[in-house]
Amino acid sequence: RKEVEQDPGPFNVPEGATVAFNCTYSNSASQSFFWYRQDCRKEPKLLMSVYSSGNEDGRFTAQLNRASQYISLLIRDSKLSDSATYLCVVNQAYQTGANNLFFGTGTRLTVIP
Amino acid sequence: DAGVTQSPTHLIKTRGQHVTLRCSPISGHKSVSWYQQVLGQGPQFIFQYYEKEERGRGNFPDRFSARQFPNYSSELNVNALLLGDSALYLCASSLGRADTQYFGPGTRLTVL
Repeated sequence: RKEVEQDPGPFNVPEGATVAFNCTYSNSASQSFFWYRQDCRKEPKLLMSVYSSGNEDGRFTAQLNRASQYISLLIRDSKLSDSATYLCVVNQAYQTGANNLFFGTGTRLTVIP
Repeated sequence: DAGVTQSPTHLIKTRGQHVTLRCSPISGHKSVSWYQQVLGQGPQFIFQYYEKEERGRGNFPDRFSARQFPNYSSELNVNALLLGDSALYLCASSLGRADTQYFGPGTRLTVL
């Protein structure tokens, strides 16, 4: 079983739409959670960390449900520049001793004019 | 400030050859991790080095090795290249052993 599972999409949405991505993780001992964004043929870039209380950064809202081992990302008022692949990431650093990020396969988003 | 830098940006090799990839972390960062990203997949952890010692190893064969230098830069070596080694190799640096990781632009390796 994969450490992190994501719906690969693609998601094609019009500008201004709200879109939600979900992922699940298999190891209940995971301690840190992130969403990274990756543009085509570029490196992943940290979009936001995800906290149990939920957190928001502008149009982006992330939620974590530890009981269900479920992470979500909500993008409101989608912009053309949001088109990218969104990677769900978990870290088990304190358990494994290594700063080993486990990535999902990514969900591809295309925002259409 | 400069981010993580990697060299070369692109590389073409043939099966059986050896390759060395290089990474310079963000100034002040002491940890470097290496990841392999095959097309259509998320990055997969290969190694972490912190304070010049290996701190973690992913599920990769012994053909993959790495080291970290006193200036915290790092090299990833892959011997006896296989077609399946074709991928984007990403280096990530972090301030400490378990801190947020920042990725370099990657080296795109093609094995023919």
